[in-house]
Amino acid sequence: EPEVTQTPSHQVTQMGQEVILRCVPISNHLYFYWYRQILGQKVEFLVSFYNNEISEKSEIFDDQFSVERPDGSNFTLKIRSTKLEDSAMYFCASSARDATNEKLFFGSGTQLSVL
Amino acid sequence: GQNIDQPTEMTATEGAIVQINCTYQTSGFNGLFWYQQHAGEAPTFLSYNVLDGLEEKGRFSSFLSRSKGYSYLLLKELQMKDSASYLCAVLNYGQNFVFGPGTRLSVLP
Repeated sequence: EPEVTQTPSHQVTQMGQEVILRCVPISNHLYFYWYRQILGQKVEFLVSFYNNEISEKSEIFDDQFSVERPDGSNFTLKIRSTKLEDSAMYFCASSARDATNEKLFFGSGTQLSVL
Repeated sequence: GQNIDQPTEMTATEGAIVQINCTYQTSGFNGLFWYQQHAGEAPTFLSYNVLDGLEEKGRFSSFLSRSKGYSYLLLKELQMKDSASYLCAVLNYGQNFVFGPGTRLSVLP
């Protein structure tokens, strides 16, 4: 089965540093998402992306966050100046969202630790 | 607002049947999904309901009542490997998947 791939699997950074989390969605999917999950808490929506633009974002996705699809395959999440509370597992997901396949496919996640 | 509720934890015995409930109030409804998440791993898709009724898929079944804002996931013939968190998620009118807090299921021998 096709997969969403994420790199790196773990990222450790100092507070105030910039990080870029990378994702390769499934190739024929059109809708891309970033979610995060703080340890022991629920999966939280950050942002959705369709047709080369953000379609919706949550309150969490403030000016410190940005997303890009720099080429036909990668989808990145950038955090400009990381804070301690940004420590979480970040999941990329994609969906075909066509009539036969609505489901969301998740990557294996990037565990971000901000020190 | 958006609100999805699930029990926090449940415990059941190997071989038994367990029902995990989910109630939701979201900005629109385009489908309800159940995902399984083992600790430290990504959620994996289990089932999808968009119309009222029961969807059966092997040992797993999911039920939806849109008028009541209610769904349940039924797991039969429980196995130890079914110990995991089960996440209820709604696809809303914003075309986003909103997740509930998850139910941590422990299967005991």
